[in-house]
Amino acid sequence: RKEVEQDPGPFNVPEGATVAFNCTYSNSASQSFFWYRQDCRKEPKLLMSVYSSGNEDGRFTAQLNRASQYISLLIRDSKLSDSATYLCVVDGGFKTIFGAGTRLFVKA
Amino acid sequence: GAVVSQHPSRVICKSGTSVKIECRSLDFQATTMFWYRQFPKQSLMLMATSNEGSKATYEQGVEKDKFLINHASLTLSTLTVTSAHPEDSSFYICSARDSAGVRGGGELFFGEGSRLTVL
Repeated sequence: RKEVEQDPGPFNVPEGATVAFNCTYSNSASQSFFWYRQDCRKEPKLLMSVYSSGNEDGRFTAQLNRASQYISLLIRDSKLSDSATYLCVVDGGFKTIFGAGTRLFVKA
Repeated sequence: GAVVSQHPSRVICKSGTSVKIECRSLDFQATTMFWYRQFPKQSLMLMATSNEGSKATYEQGVEKDKFLINHASLTLSTLTVTSAHPEDSSFYICSARDSAGVRGGGELFFGEGSRLTVL
């Protein structure tokens, strides 16, 4: 089993749609969780951290379920500019593991 | 602006030569930095963890003699690809977090990446 697994992509959605990405992790001792966004041929950039209580930043909502070892990212009212690869990142302190990424294409 | 600077951003070299990539944290100290490799349309793969003042920790399958890592100061880690071959052509990215936990609250900051092409 991979340490971090993400939904297979790509997701093709129309503008304005709501889309959800899921991610599971195997190490129950993992401490920090993040969603990063990576545009083609660029470095990953932090989208948002994921907290146990869940957190929201504009159109983006992230949730963490420690019992099920599961995190999610919800994007509402998708924009063309949201097209990118979304990486689930799990941090155990000494080691950071990236998911394979989920590609999102938002179309007009 | 960037908080982790990576240089060079693009390098083309001949097969058999060595290439050094630098990763600098610009306004924080990082006792640990990470090096990744990403092939086209594939995920980011952790190669090694660079530890200031001690040996790097390599992931399984990564040749430590081929990918030399030096973390001589709290703000600089270097990755040297020795005797590069065409199959080493890839996008190499470093990341670091503020050891003091002030900058970013645990967030990983990434360098801009270095695209290596070995002819």
